[in-house]
Amino acid sequence: EPEVTQTPSHQVTQMGQEVILRCVPISNHLYFYWYRQILGQKVEFLVSFYNNEISEKSEIFDDQFSVERPDGSNFTLKIRSTKLEDSAMYFCASAVDTGELFFGEGSRLTVL
Amino acid sequence: AQRVTQPEKLLSVFKGAPVELKCNYSYSGSPELFWYVQYSRQRLQLLLRHISRESIKGFTADLNKGETSFHLKKPFAQEEDSAMYYCALTGSARQLTFGSGTQLTVLP
Repeated sequence: EPEVTQTPSHQVTQMGQEVILRCVPISNHLYFYWYRQILGQKVEFLVSFYNNEISEKSEIFDDQFSVERPDGSNFTLKIRSTKLEDSAMYFCASAVDTGELFFGEGSRLTVL
Repeated sequence: AQRVTQPEKLLSVFKGAPVELKCNYSYSGSPELFWYVQYSRQRLQLLLRHISRESIKGFTADLNKGETSFHLKKPFAQEEDSAMYYCALTGSARQLTFGSGTQLTVLP
């Protein structure tokens, strides 16, 4: 069964460093998402991506964040200059349409 | 704005007992409601959605527009049902808004 895959599973970085989290969505899916979950808190929407552009983004998704689909298969989330409060589990998801989302296992980001 | 509330952070029941996980939502239009589940060390996965009206793993959920609720129910809980359960909503905006989750523990 096809799955969304995410790398790395865990990344530790120093505050102020750039981080790129990678996702390979399911191949025939058209909608792509990033969510995050700070430890002990709810899963929060960051951004959705469709037709090679951002379709929606939340207040969390500020200028420090960007997304890209560089090669038609990967879907990346870049954090330009990490802050301590960016420490969280980041989930990628993809969907055929606006119904069921299929999630990756997540990338845990720890900012020191 | 769309909002999902799950009032119980933790819920424990004994095996064979009925279980109900509460979910209330706030949305001015016609939402689509979902329950997602995350078993230990596994990814988030869809359990059920209100438009399909299916019963998955013995769970059902009925959308009650009058009470703006979408409670998840199972008549006889099993130990393998122990997991984190998230109620979620999409409205006209396609983003999925999650509740804070309920950790269900089914005791032997």
